[in-house]
Amino acid sequence: GAGVSQSPSNKVTEKGKDVELRCDPISGHTALYWYRQSLGQGLEFLIYFQGNSAPDKSGLPSDRFSAERTGGSVSTLTIQRTQQEDSAVYLCASSRGQETGELFFGEGSRLTVL
Amino acid sequence: AQSVSQHNHHVILSEAASLELGCNYSYGGTVNLFWYVQYPGQHLQLLLKYFSGDPLVKGIKGFEAEFIKSKFSFNLRKPSVQWSDTAEYFCAVIRTTSGTYKYIFGTGTRLKVLA
Repeated sequence: GAGVSQSPSNKVTEKGKDVELRCDPISGHTALYWYRQSLGQGLEFLIYFQGNSAPDKSGLPSDRFSAERTGGSVSTLTIQRTQQEDSAVYLCASSRGQETGELFFGEGSRLTVL
Repeated sequence: AQSVSQHNHHVILSEAASLELGCNYSYGGTVNLFWYVQYPGQHLQLLLKYFSGDPLVKGIKGFEAEFIKSKFSFNLRKPSVQWSDTAEYFCAVIRTTSGTYKYIFGTGTRLKVLA
């Protein structure tokens, strides 16, 4: 497709389970971001990939969170041993990688941890 | 710490009222500034952006924003809001002084326009 694609759109899991969220960015976009959107918390930066550079992981809230980007394209955000406070919408965005580049967002993956 | 502040978390206006949403950032040096909007049930999309030149920038749907460097501000304005402007608005900053960069977003402002 032409836009940023995220899956699953909705995920309900039990506390303690691991989850994987997938992001397929726009073709040719070298920059990829993950954000977490919670009610009243705005957009919380998680991680940023830019080309072949080492990712900026400074926003990951704990070592239960990790992300990888294979082949400079698809990215997977993994949350291990999920907790109820991990419940949120996880947004992926991509851009051409220029400093002035517009971010294109996916529809998000809504995670609910019971 | 690097931050972007949006002072108004919730704003309620009647149609035809004027709108101004505040945004302040805490970086020195050169910055690129953005406003994004998220309409109900839709994904985030760009409203307008400032890189250089005229500090008053115009975006889609009649929105504009003014960059005031001395105040580290980039406030969003619209002279007359419509019911369809009901949405959440996010201010964002990219620093341009480092080799890598990331978008930093504010906490957002929820705007409700009453018909």
